Amino acid sequence: GESVGLHLPTLSVQEGDNSIINCAYSNSASDYFIWYKQESGKGPQFIIDIRSNMDKRQGQRVTVLLNKTVKHLSLQIAATQPGDSAVYFCGLGQGGKLIFGQGTELSVKP
Amino acid sequence: DTEVTQTPKHLVMGMTNKKSLKCEQHMGHRAMYWYKQKAKKPPELMFVYSYEKLSINESVPSRFSPECPNSSLLNLHLHALQPEDSALYLCASSHQGPPLAGRFADTQYFGPGTRLTVL
Repeated sequence: GESVGLHLPTLSVQEGDNSIINCAYSNSASDYFIWYKQESGKGPQFIIDIRSNMDKRQGQRVTVLLNKTVKHLSLQIAATQPGDSAVYFCGLGQGGKLIFGQGTELSVKP
Repeated sequence: DTEVTQTPKHLVMGMTNKKSLKCEQHMGHRAMYWYKQKAKKPPELMFVYSYEKLSINESVPSRFSPECPNSSLLNLHLHALQPEDSALYLCASSHQGPPLAGRFADTQYFGPGTRLTVL
């Protein structure tokens, strides 16, 4: 089956710096990719998604990059703020389901 | 509005109890999902309803019984649960059902979850 791996389970950044969270996947047939933010005690919150016919998509302070050649997905957060502290999950669409990575816990130091 | 609501927020039940979790969305979405999430782990898919019909059951034990009374509501009936079933139960919805071949998936929006403890 599909496997989705995150490069780092935890990431600590200084407030104001940029954050980069990475995901690797194994199935080249996946055509949809998504990032969620989950704060403690809450449900996952949609951040941004991208389809396989694109390699970059930007939102407000966030950018998702998709490299299908090396099967790599990343989330960039610009000017990271304390409110960005959370667990970030990547997900990819396969066979009508979303397969999630293990999550990266982002800590923002003031 | 991308709101999915879930009740109750917290639930404690014994192994012989019967209880139900409820989920509601008013975004006109036609697909609804149940996920189970253990601490520090990603959500795991349990069931998918598409146009009010069960389309995916991820080999979930029969002590979990989903129900979709209409396109806005999704229930999860619980009976004879085990302590290892304690988890955060998340509901999600998306515009359409799981994608057919050649169509991209739709964004899934999650509710806040029900924290379930089985004693």
